[in-house]
Amino acid sequence: AQSVAQPEDQVNVAEGNPLTVKCTYSVSGNPYLFWYVQYPNRGLQFLLKYITGDNLVKGSYGFEAEFNKSQTSFHLKKPSALVSDSALYFCAAGVGGFKTIFGAGTRLFVKA
Amino acid sequence: EAQVTQNPRYLITVTGKKLTVTCSQNMNHEYMSWYRQDPGLGLRQIYYSMNVEVTDKGDVPEGYKVSRKEKRNFPLILESPSPNQTSLYFCASRGRFSAGNTGELFFGEGSRLTVL
Repeated sequence: AQSVAQPEDQVNVAEGNPLTVKCTYSVSGNPYLFWYVQYPNRGLQFLLKYITGDNLVKGSYGFEAEFNKSQTSFHLKKPSALVSDSALYFCAAGVGGFKTIFGAGTRLFVKA
Repeated sequence: EAQVTQNPRYLITVTGKKLTVTCSQNMNHEYMSWYRQDPGLGLRQIYYSMNVEVTDKGDVPEGYKVSRKEKRNFPLILESPSPNQTSLYFCASRGRFSAGNTGELFFGEGSRLTVL
């Protein structure tokens, strides 16, 4: 079965430190990969995507993600975390032309 | 402003009382979908629609119905709600995959449903 895994329920980081939110995928073919962020009482917002090309993709709010085909990973990163980055982050894979599979989500806490 | 609008945002109902959650998008998107979000389970797809009058089941369709009579609207219908349908529901849309559109979803703000 195709799936997206986010191995950490929660990530804690101090403000100003780098952050990483992990994601691995198990899908057939070459998936489209996405990261979305969800703030309290809001819908999901698109952050960035990998389709093809450069393995390091840059997105909104200073976030970037690194695609690693051999490890089937697509980790989300930011060089310097902000308290305002605290939110729920979802990794997702687009497969089959119309279906999007989501991970369970990782809650990020950035402490001042 | 490009947006996906869901209503109601919050609803408390009782078992068996039919309800409809509306969803409307103003981006002329072909594809629309409904998800439910439950703690520890992420987002699970309920139904999706590739275009007007074309709908199909997602991963958790039991207890739900949808219709797509107009391109902009995709209502979710719970004919006889049960407590296990208490959840946070999201509607989402996107355009057709093309050179200029690679599939990111646009989400509504969510509808929190409680079935007593």
